[in-house]
Amino acid sequence: NAGVMQNPRHLVRRRGQEARLRCSPMKGHSHVYWYRQLPEEGLKFMVYLQKENIIDESGMPKERFSAEFPKEGPSILRIQQVVRGDSAAYFCASSPNAGYSHGYTFGSGTRLTVV
Amino acid sequence: DQQVKQNSPSLSVQEGRISILNCDYTNSMFDYFLWYKKYPAEGPTFLISISSIKDKNEDGRFTVFLNKSAKHLSLHIVPSQPGDSAVYFCAASARLSGGSNYKLTFGKGTLLTVNP
Repeated sequence: NAGVMQNPRHLVRRRGQEARLRCSPMKGHSHVYWYRQLPEEGLKFMVYLQKENIIDESGMPKERFSAEFPKEGPSILRIQQVVRGDSAAYFCASSPNAGYSHGYTFGSGTRLTVV
Repeated sequence: DQQVKQNSPSLSVQEGRISILNCDYTNSMFDYFLWYKKYPAEGPTFLISISSIKDKNEDGRFTVFLNKSAKHLSLHIVPSQPGDSAVYFCAASARLSGGSNYKLTFGKGTLLTVNP
């Protein structure tokens, strides 16, 4: 009964490169959420997806960031032309339905470092 | 504009004593509150939650108290154990008030250290 799986755990990118972060939700969970934690900050909502649909991307920066959750395969958070300010921990969470009362299950995160 | 505030970055307590972690919020639309625990290099783990229709929820050693009029909640851990040492995040959502019930707003966290 695997939890939320995120990979890679650590990712180093040079400025201007692309970063792809993957998230496989828990079995039976069809709702995926991405959060970002900047240094010394709390987690901030980025995007909420269901299979093949973006429900709410109000927390995503308008440029360079995109997310998808295809019918098959993991959810992908893609950051194009990374900059130093993108360095953060990116956490994915999943739930069996929206607003799940027992809280979301988070993955261990991907720590992105932009050099 | 921080809508969920945890004003104590850190807290140190002795094993066996009570740990009290505090959280304040400003958004009146919030009606559901959660506490998460986070170890280094891991994701947050759900601990306990409370709906705004209650003022207390208890689960084993963990109790959350909600004071709606003061927009304040607290997490009590009794007795504290060294394994409780972690960062604790308070989070809030607007589940019933017509807001986005899936979107959690987090505080910055409080690092709890329980000394043996």
